[in-house]
Amino acid sequence: GAGVSQSPSNKVTEKGKDVELRCDPISGHTALYWYRQRLGQGLEFLIYFQGNSAPDKSGLPSDRFSAERTGESVSTLTIQRTQQEDSAVYLCASLGGGFFGPGTRLTVL
Amino acid sequence: GQNIDQPTEMTATEGAIVQINCTYQTSGFNGLFWYQQHAGEAPTFLSYNVLDGLEEKGRFSSFLSRSKGYSYLLLKELQMKDSASYLCAVRDLGSNYQLIWGAGTKLIIKP
Repeated sequence: GAGVSQSPSNKVTEKGKDVELRCDPISGHTALYWYRQRLGQGLEFLIYFQGNSAPDKSGLPSDRFSAERTGESVSTLTIQRTQQEDSAVYLCASLGGGFFGPGTRLTVL
Repeated sequence: GQNIDQPTEMTATEGAIVQINCTYQTSGFNGLFWYQQHAGEAPTFLSYNVLDGLEEKGRFSSFLSRSKGYSYLLLKELQMKDSASYLCAVRDLGSNYQLIWGAGTKLIIKP
């Protein structure tokens, strides 16, 4: 595609529910990042996929968070048993972080 | 360890020039990026430096000194729309080419 796309753009959920966020990277870009950004704060690294290498999961804040990527295509970030502190914008970036998707704004009530 | 430092907030006047500094300490270096982020939006790419010196792109210029672990973003002829956060990021060889991010500098432009 022409750019990085993410869905949904907004997600409101109840505490304790699971959510799945999707990222469609730019075709052919091997590197894909997930970041979290809370209101008024900087980017918080979550996970990094680079080609067929094992992903760097060092930024995932708890075992409620997981992410998958099939080959060099779509990635999904799953948050289980959501908590209010999970409320943030979740950003996906493709190829060295140069191209960001528009983000998914997650609100946990 | 890894560390990226930039001022938290800066204020400048419309039409003036402002320089936003970034210092970094990483285990390896493979380029430094500057991004602009308006409130409520995703970051957008501004510049990339991998060699020492000044890269000019319109009203924006970025400078890098690898020996000093230092970069700056220079914004000229400031416009109100330049009010945003400016993020500095370093690609770290020691972390499998990951981007290490600064916390961002919030730039406020006053008329």
